Amino acid sequence: EIVLTQSPGTLSLSPGERATLYCRASQSVSSSYLAWYQQKPGQAPRLLIYGASSRATGIPDRFSGSGSGTDFTLTISRLEPEDFAVYYCQQYGSSVPYTFGQGTKLEIK
Amino acid sequence: EVQLVESGGGLVQPGGSLRLSCAASEFTFSTHWMSWVRQAPGKGLEWVANIKQDGGDKSYVDSVKGRFTISRDNAKNSLYLQMNSLRAEDTAIYYCVRGGPRGSFDYWGQGTLVTVSS
Repeated sequence: EIVLTQSPGTLSLSPGERATLYCRASQSVSSSYLAWYQQKPGQAPRLLIYGASSRATGIPDRFSGSGSGTDFTLTISRLEPEDFAVYYCQQYGSSVPYTFGQGTKLEIK
Repeated sequence: EVQLVESGGGLVQPGGSLRLSCAASEFTFSTHWMSWVRQAPGKGLEWVANIKQDGGDKSYVDSVKGRFTISRDNAKNSLYLQMNSLRAEDTAIYYCVRGGPRGSFDYWGQGTLVTVSS
């Protein structure tokens, strides 16, 4: 089973700043089967990025993903007030189980 | 717009059973893998089970193998999760999710809360 470790656990930034979130896998993630989700309190998660770098439908271009192998990054170029939330990475390898990282909380400084 | 609506959650005693349902609409249900993902109160996300388009291939996380059964009815556009021998650690919001590109989950229901407690 591939374990995903996200860092930092909490990130405190101000609107307008750039956010960089990290996700490290215990083994190489095949074919960049790596996704990122945003979850706000009381809501279901929302898919932001799939295939490590492709934005999902309707996701603003201030969100971008990069990385391969074991190291992946989610970047929010300029934070908007609605971006403060918890972010999860998730991988799917050649077989189940799918696994998620433990999450990064992005909070207003 | 894709819709996934879960139902069937509630309070159940340890050792009891519960059946969750998910009604899907506004997409061709029979062409997508489907999964259940859960989230314990204040915790992160955990994939529970998935099922292939025709129901012929199913997988489970180790902690629920032998206790939970995922199924689907493509004629009714519905996904199910039969949960038996429930434990306190199964307490969570259970989300019905659609399989998306490259192993992602592209649409999520609003979730249904399962509480296992005496």
